[in-house]
Amino acid sequence: DARVTQTPRHKVTEMGQEVTMRCQPILGHNTVFWYRQTMMQGLELLAYFRNRAPLDDSGMPKDRFSAEMPDATLATLKIQPSEPRDSAVYFCASGLWEARVAFGSGTRLTVV
Amino acid sequence: TQLLEQSPQFLSIQEGENLTVYCNSSSVFSSLQWYRQEPGEGPVLLVTVVTGGEVKKLKRLTFQFGDARKDSSLHITAAQPGDTGLYLCAGAGSGGSNYKLTFGKGTLLTVNP
Repeated sequence: DARVTQTPRHKVTEMGQEVTMRCQPILGHNTVFWYRQTMMQGLELLAYFRNRAPLDDSGMPKDRFSAEMPDATLATLKIQPSEPRDSAVYFCASGLWEARVAFGSGTRLTVV
Repeated sequence: TQLLEQSPQFLSIQEGENLTVYCNSSSVFSSLQWYRQEPGEGPVLLVTVVTGGEVKKLKRLTFQFGDARKDSSLHITAAQPGDTGLYLCAGAGSGGSNYKLTFGKGTLLTVNP
């Protein structure tokens, strides 16, 4: 079965450090989403790419978060500098024209 | 602003019981999706409903989209322990953004043997 692959699965880092999360979307999918999940807020959309072009990153704190797709097989989400309030599970999802969206298993980030 | 309200927030039932969970909004959506999420994993898409009044069945699960496309329900018949998980609804197409999925906070279902 085709799957969205996220690495790392878990990350513990100190406040102020840079964090990079990686995602390999399903081959052939042309849309990529980054979501953040917390108990308080649920799932929040951070960024959205279609055909590798960023279409919406309004959900991201611009001063510390950045999302890119260097190529069709890799999407990255970076936080620099990280803060304790960034602790959450970050999900990447891919789909074909916003349909059949498949989520990865997530990166659980803890910033201490 | 939380556009999608799910209820109940928590539900614990015995195996074999029936249940219904709800997803309500004041916004109109072009489509609505239901996901199930298990601990340590990402949400898995169960169904997409598009037409107002549409009913879809997936084995023991019945999904309904409201006539006005503002709300939806998920009914599970004869629940089994394997149905345990977080059920999320997500609406697309509100405010002109067809791609933007707005998620509810979910209903955490526990089915006890």
